[in-house]
Amino acid sequence: EAGVAQSPRYKIIEKRQSVAFWCNPISGHATLYWYQQILGQGPKLLIQFQNNGVVDDSQLPKDRFSAERLKGVDSTLKIQPAKLEDSAVYLCASSTVGVGDTQYFGPGTRLTVL
Amino acid sequence: AQSVAQPEDQVNVAEGNPLTVKCTYSVSGNPYLFWYVQYPNRGLQFLLKYITGDNLVKGSYGFEAEFNKSQTSFHLKKPSALVSDSALYFCAVRAPNAGNNRKLIWGLGTSLAVNP
Repeated sequence: EAGVAQSPRYKIIEKRQSVAFWCNPISGHATLYWYQQILGQGPKLLIQFQNNGVVDDSQLPKDRFSAERLKGVDSTLKIQPAKLEDSAVYLCASSTVGVGDTQYFGPGTRLTVL
Repeated sequence: AQSVAQPEDQVNVAEGNPLTVKCTYSVSGNPYLFWYVQYPNRGLQFLLKYITGDNLVKGSYGFEAEFNKSQTSFHLKKPSALVSDSALYFCAVRAPNAGNNRKLIWGLGTSLAVNP
């Protein structure tokens, strides 16, 4: 079974530029998550989708971050404009819908904002 | 408020010795508990979880964890550590009965160093 795919793996941009990350979840997983992980910290949930609907985006900085999952499969996370403090690893995860379902993570995208 | 604590930033153990990485939690109701491992420049890998049933849970790579409700703990253990176990370990908890919101509350991580 293929895992969660993410691209790109690394991205370096200047502040005020825009950037987009792509995620393809495990086949059949209805729930998709985007996390931000700053060095030395645990992951912080940015947004959770179930199919193509948003379940939780309470910690998404909506003035600069946006995410979509139009067909209920793959997803895109965008930052526009980027700030220095956005430098982090952006992790995508997916899970089925069930009791105690496990979140499976992709390799992440390391973003550096200069 | 729900929370997870990993009281040790770093754990050092000699290869072949048993290891323990500690986790305590605070959540209302019976929690769902998870352990993940993160190797450098890699994503998080699922190790094991407790949902219900036997308090001792066995997972990947020889790891196990024991759910202790009275002490609100879910410590990760392995009988004999390997150098390749050196990594960052995260404990996470989810409250049951949260409907579609499957948000995990994460600890800050414990860096495990296994010395040859």
